[in-house]
Amino acid sequence: SYVLTQPPSVSVAPGQTARITCGGNNIGSKSVHWYQQKPGQAPVLVVYDDSDRPSGIPERFSGSNSGNTATLTISRVEAGDEADYYCQVWDSSSDHPGVFGTGTKVTVL
Amino acid sequence: EVQLVESGGGLVQPGGSLRLSCAASGFTFSSYWMHWVRQAPGKGLVWVSRINSDGSSTSYADSVKGRFTISRDNAKNTLYLQMNSLRAEDTAVYYCAREGSGSTRGAFDIWGQGTMVTVSS
Repeated sequence: SYVLTQPPSVSVAPGQTARITCGGNNIGSKSVHWYQQKPGQAPVLVVYDDSDRPSGIPERFSGSNSGNTATLTISRVEAGDEADYYCQVWDSSSDHPGVFGTGTKVTVL
Repeated sequence: EVQLVESGGGLVQPGGSLRLSCAASGFTFSSYWMHWVRQAPGKGLVWVSRINSDGSSTSYADSVKGRFTISRDNAKNTLYLQMNSLRAEDTAVYYCAREGSGSTRGAFDIWGQGTMVTVSS
């Protein structure tokens, strides 16, 4: 089945930029979605279809996808951005179509 | 308000069964594909199962295939997950999630709060 690999952790100072990668074989050919999950809470969709934002998500959250790597970028990081972040694709050609990345813990220093 | 509310979790012995429910409100439930996603304690998100809008098509993760059954009752705006032959490794918070439509197709745009399932003797 399709595998999505993320770094376990990313640390960033307030006001700086955090970049979270999601690696997968030819992921650039797929639509990638990103979720934020804070402790004890359900995940929240922050980026869909590689780079679009749902209503209510700040413009500080952006995404890109090319080749074998998708990236979630959080600009002007705030303390409230500290959370786990997961990438996800829907691989309709697979017997196991729903795939999440391994998750990245973002720590705001 | 668009909302998903799960129920039915609890403690069950290995080999036992449990049925989870997910009540939807605030949107036209019958128009959306729905999913179950689980998260073991301290671990990441894992997709479990999916059902299309009218219930005629389903798919499952290999780890639950043959043991879990997803279904829905569009008249009651409710999604279900029947879990049989439960194992310790099924212990997790189970979330129901709505798959978006149009440009958000393939993404899970609405999530419930989750219900905890613990499989232990």
